Amino acid sequence: QQPVQSPQAVILREGEDAVINCSSSKALYSVHWYRQKHGEAPVFLMILLKGGEQKGHDKISASFNEKKQQSSLYLTASQLSYSGTYFCGTDSGYALNFGKGTSLLVTP
Amino acid sequence: NAGVTQTPKFRVLKTGQSMTLLCAQDMNHEYMYWYRQDPGMGLRLIHYSVGEGTTAKGEVPDGYNVSRLKKQNFLLGLESAAPSQTSVYFCASSYLNEQFFGPGTRLTVL
Repeated sequence: QQPVQSPQAVILREGEDAVINCSSSKALYSVHWYRQKHGEAPVFLMILLKGGEQKGHDKISASFNEKKQQSSLYLTASQLSYSGTYFCGTDSGYALNFGKGTSLLVTP
Repeated sequence: NAGVTQTPKFRVLKTGQSMTLLCAQDMNHEYMYWYRQDPGMGLRLIHYSVGEGTTAKGEVPDGYNVSRLKKQNFLLGLESAAPSQTSVYFCASSYLNEQFFGPGTRLTVL
Protein backbone atom coordinates (compact mmCIF):
# COMPACT_ATOMS: atom_id res chain seq x y z
CA GLN A 1 0.00 0.00 0.00
CA GLN A 2 1.44 3.27 -1.14
CA PRO A 3 2.09 5.85 1.61
CA VAL A 4 0.53 9.28 1.16
CA GLN A 5 2.77 12.32 0.90
CA SER A 6 1.84 15.96 1.38
CA PRO A 7 2.13 18.50 0.01
CA GLN A 8 2.40 17.42 -3.63
CA ALA A 9 4.54 20.41 -4.46
CA VAL A 10 6.15 23.34 -2.70
CA ILE A 11 8.07 26.38 -3.86
CA LEU A 12 10.49 28.06 -1.49
CA ARG A 13 12.86 30.95 -1.54
CA GLU A 14 16.43 30.19 -0.58
CA GLY A 15 16.77 30.18 3.20
CA GLU A 16 13.14 29.27 3.95
CA ASP A 17 12.06 26.12 5.75
CA ALA A 18 9.75 23.33 4.57
CA VAL A 19 8.11 20.21 5.96
CA ILE A 20 7.13 17.17 3.92
CA ASN A 21 4.81 14.63 5.46
CA CYS A 22 4.38 10.93 4.84
CA SER A 23 1.58 8.82 6.29
CA SER A 24 0.60 5.21 6.05
CA SER A 25 -2.58 3.26 6.74
CA LYS A 26 -0.67 0.33 8.20
CA ALA A 27 1.79 -0.14 11.04
CA LEU A 28 5.33 0.84 10.18
CA TYR A 29 8.70 -0.42 11.34
CA SER A 30 10.72 2.05 9.36
CA VAL A 31 10.45 4.98 6.98
CA HIS A 32 13.00 5.74 4.28
CA TRP A 33 13.55 9.07 2.56
CA TYR A 34 15.02 9.58 -0.93
CA ARG A 35 15.62 12.61 -3.10
CA GLN A 36 15.56 12.61 -6.89
CA LYS A 37 16.92 15.49 -8.91
CA HIS A 38 15.47 16.07 -12.36
CA GLY A 39 16.67 13.48 -14.85
CA GLU A 40 18.64 11.55 -12.23
CA ALA A 41 18.18 8.46 -10.11
CA PRO A 42 16.79 8.64 -6.57
CA VAL A 43 19.41 8.95 -3.85
CA PHE A 44 19.07 7.71 -0.27
CA LEU A 45 18.81 10.42 2.39
CA MET A 46 18.04 8.60 5.62
CA ILE A 47 16.12 5.86 7.35
CA LEU A 48 14.11 6.16 10.53
CA LEU A 49 13.46 3.11 12.61
CA LYS A 50 10.66 2.38 15.02
CA GLY A 51 11.20 4.35 18.23
CA GLY A 52 10.59 7.95 17.16
CA GLU A 53 14.27 8.48 16.45
CA GLN A 54 15.13 11.70 14.71
CA LYS A 55 17.84 11.67 12.08
CA GLY A 56 19.72 14.36 10.24
CA HIS A 57 21.49 14.82 6.94
CA ASP A 58 23.13 18.21 6.55
CA LYS A 59 20.26 20.63 7.33
CA ILE A 60 17.65 18.03 6.52
CA SER A 61 16.18 16.09 9.42
CA ALA A 62 13.25 13.77 9.90
CA SER A 63 11.04 12.32 12.59
CA PHE A 64 9.00 9.15 12.81
CA ASN A 65 5.89 8.69 14.90
CA GLU A 66 5.03 5.01 14.69
CA LYS A 67 1.83 5.43 16.73
CA LYS A 68 0.46 7.83 14.16
CA GLN A 69 2.14 5.92 11.33
CA GLN A 70 3.63 9.17 10.10
CA SER A 71 6.99 10.62 9.24
CA SER A 72 7.98 14.20 8.52
CA LEU A 73 11.01 15.51 6.65
CA TYR A 74 12.26 18.93 7.75
CA LEU A 75 14.32 21.08 5.41
CA THR A 76 15.89 23.98 7.26
CA ALA A 77 17.35 27.11 5.64
CA SER A 78 16.81 25.60 2.21
CA GLN A 79 19.51 25.80 -0.42
CA LEU A 80 19.17 25.76 -4.20
CA SER A 81 20.65 22.25 -4.16
CA TYR A 82 17.64 20.99 -2.20
CA SER A 83 15.43 21.24 -5.29
CA GLY A 84 14.10 17.90 -6.45
CA THR A 85 11.42 15.37 -5.71
CA TYR A 86 11.36 13.77 -2.28
CA PHE A 87 9.99 10.28 -1.79
CA CYS A 88 9.20 8.44 1.38
CA GLY A 89 9.31 4.66 1.36
CA THR A 90 7.66 2.36 3.87
CA ASP A 91 8.70 -1.19 4.54
CA SER A 92 6.84 -4.03 2.86
CA GLY A 93 8.61 -7.26 3.67
CA TYR A 94 11.83 -7.28 1.65
CA ALA A 95 10.93 -4.21 -0.40
CA LEU A 96 9.65 -0.65 -0.05
CA ASN A 97 6.43 1.04 -1.03
CA PHE A 98 7.18 4.54 -2.21
CA GLY A 99 4.86 7.52 -2.06
CA LYS A 100 4.06 9.57 -5.15
CA GLY A 101 6.62 12.17 -4.18
CA THR A 102 6.75 15.84 -3.21
CA SER A 103 8.25 18.23 -5.72
CA LEU A 104 10.37 20.91 -4.06
CA LEU A 105 11.66 23.95 -5.91
CA VAL A 106 14.01 26.38 -4.19
CA THR A 107 14.34 29.73 -5.93
CA PRO A 108 17.02 32.40 -5.44
CA ASN B 1 33.41 0.63 -8.80
CA ALA B 2 30.53 1.32 -11.22
CA GLY B 3 27.70 0.77 -8.70
CA VAL B 4 24.44 -0.07 -10.47
CA THR B 5 24.38 0.10 -14.26
CA GLN B 6 21.47 -0.32 -16.65
CA THR B 7 21.41 -1.23 -20.32
CA PRO B 8 20.11 0.31 -22.55
CA LYS B 9 19.59 3.95 -21.55
CA PHE B 10 16.89 4.56 -24.15
CA ARG B 11 14.72 2.30 -26.28
CA VAL B 12 11.75 2.68 -28.60
CA LEU B 13 9.61 -0.39 -29.26
CA LYS B 14 6.57 -1.10 -31.35
CA THR B 15 3.53 -2.67 -29.74
CA GLY B 16 3.99 -6.42 -29.52
CA GLN B 17 7.77 -6.42 -29.64
CA SER B 18 9.82 -7.94 -26.87
CA MET B 19 12.94 -6.77 -25.11
CA THR B 20 15.12 -7.34 -22.08
CA LEU B 21 16.49 -4.67 -19.76
CA LEU B 22 19.74 -5.54 -18.04
CA CYS B 23 20.73 -4.41 -14.57
CA ALA B 24 24.18 -5.10 -13.17
CA GLN B 25 25.70 -4.27 -9.80
CA ASP B 26 29.25 -4.71 -8.59
CA MET B 27 28.61 -4.20 -4.86
CA ASN B 28 27.83 -7.84 -4.05
CA HIS B 29 24.34 -6.93 -2.88
CA GLU B 30 21.84 -9.69 -2.24
CA TYR B 31 18.66 -7.71 -2.90
CA MET B 32 17.76 -6.23 -6.26
CA TYR B 33 14.63 -4.45 -7.50
CA TRP B 34 12.93 -3.22 -10.65
CA TYR B 35 10.74 -0.11 -10.48
CA ARG B 36 8.84 1.89 -13.02
CA GLN B 37 8.34 5.61 -12.69
CA ASP B 38 5.48 7.42 -14.36
CA PRO B 39 4.60 11.11 -13.97
CA GLY B 40 2.70 11.71 -10.75
CA MET B 41 2.85 8.04 -9.74
CA GLY B 42 6.13 7.83 -7.90
CA LEU B 43 8.18 4.64 -7.96
CA ARG B 44 6.21 1.44 -8.30
CA LEU B 45 7.82 -1.91 -7.63
CA ILE B 46 7.57 -4.41 -10.49
CA HIS B 47 9.58 -7.39 -9.24
CA TYR B 48 12.36 -7.96 -6.77
CA SER B 49 14.91 -10.59 -5.80
CA VAL B 50 16.36 -11.44 -2.41
CA GLY B 51 19.19 -13.51 -3.80
CA GLU B 52 20.57 -15.42 -6.76
CA GLY B 53 17.93 -17.69 -8.27
CA THR B 54 15.00 -16.05 -6.46
CA THR B 55 12.39 -13.59 -7.69
CA ALA B 56 9.13 -12.23 -6.33
CA LYS B 57 6.28 -10.06 -7.59
CA GLY B 58 5.91 -6.48 -6.57
CA GLU B 59 3.04 -4.05 -6.89
CA VAL B 60 2.74 -4.00 -10.71
CA PRO B 61 4.15 -7.27 -12.12
CA ASP B 62 1.71 -7.91 -14.98
CA GLY B 63 3.34 -7.93 -18.41
CA TYR B 64 6.86 -8.35 -17.03
CA ASN B 65 9.12 -11.27 -16.21
CA VAL B 66 12.45 -11.30 -14.41
CA SER B 67 15.42 -13.56 -13.88
CA ARG B 68 18.33 -13.53 -11.44
CA LEU B 69 20.66 -16.24 -12.69
CA LYS B 70 23.75 -14.50 -11.36
CA LYS B 71 23.97 -12.49 -8.17
CA GLN B 72 25.23 -9.39 -9.93
CA ASN B 73 22.58 -9.32 -12.69
CA PHE B 74 18.82 -8.79 -12.64
CA LEU B 75 16.99 -8.93 -15.97
CA LEU B 76 13.59 -7.47 -16.71
CA GLY B 77 11.74 -8.82 -19.73
CA LEU B 78 8.79 -7.52 -21.67
CA GLU B 79 7.35 -10.34 -23.78
CA SER B 80 4.82 -8.31 -25.74
CA ALA B 81 5.23 -4.59 -25.19
CA ALA B 82 2.17 -2.37 -24.84
CA PRO B 83 1.90 1.45 -24.89
CA SER B 84 0.99 1.33 -21.18
CA GLN B 85 4.53 0.12 -20.52
CA THR B 86 5.99 3.41 -21.71
CA SER B 87 7.89 4.55 -18.64
CA VAL B 88 11.25 5.12 -17.02
CA TYR B 89 12.57 1.92 -15.49
CA PHE B 90 14.92 1.98 -12.53
CA CYS B 91 16.87 -0.90 -11.13
CA ALA B 92 18.18 -0.83 -7.57
CA SER B 93 20.21 -3.01 -5.26
CA SER B 94 20.37 -2.78 -1.53
CA TYR B 95 22.73 -3.29 1.33
CA LEU B 96 21.15 -3.24 4.79
CA ASN B 97 18.51 -0.53 4.47
CA GLU B 98 19.88 1.69 1.71
CA GLN B 99 18.86 1.18 -1.90
CA PHE B 100 21.28 2.20 -4.66
CA PHE B 101 19.61 3.09 -7.94
CA GLY B 102 20.84 2.77 -11.48
CA PRO B 103 20.58 5.70 -13.93
CA GLY B 104 17.33 4.43 -15.47
CA THR B 105 16.10 3.26 -18.87
CA ARG B 106 13.61 5.39 -20.77
CA LEU B 107 11.33 3.09 -22.75
CA THR B 108 8.76 4.26 -25.28
CA VAL B 109 6.25 1.81 -26.77
CA LEU B 110 4.51 3.05 -29.89
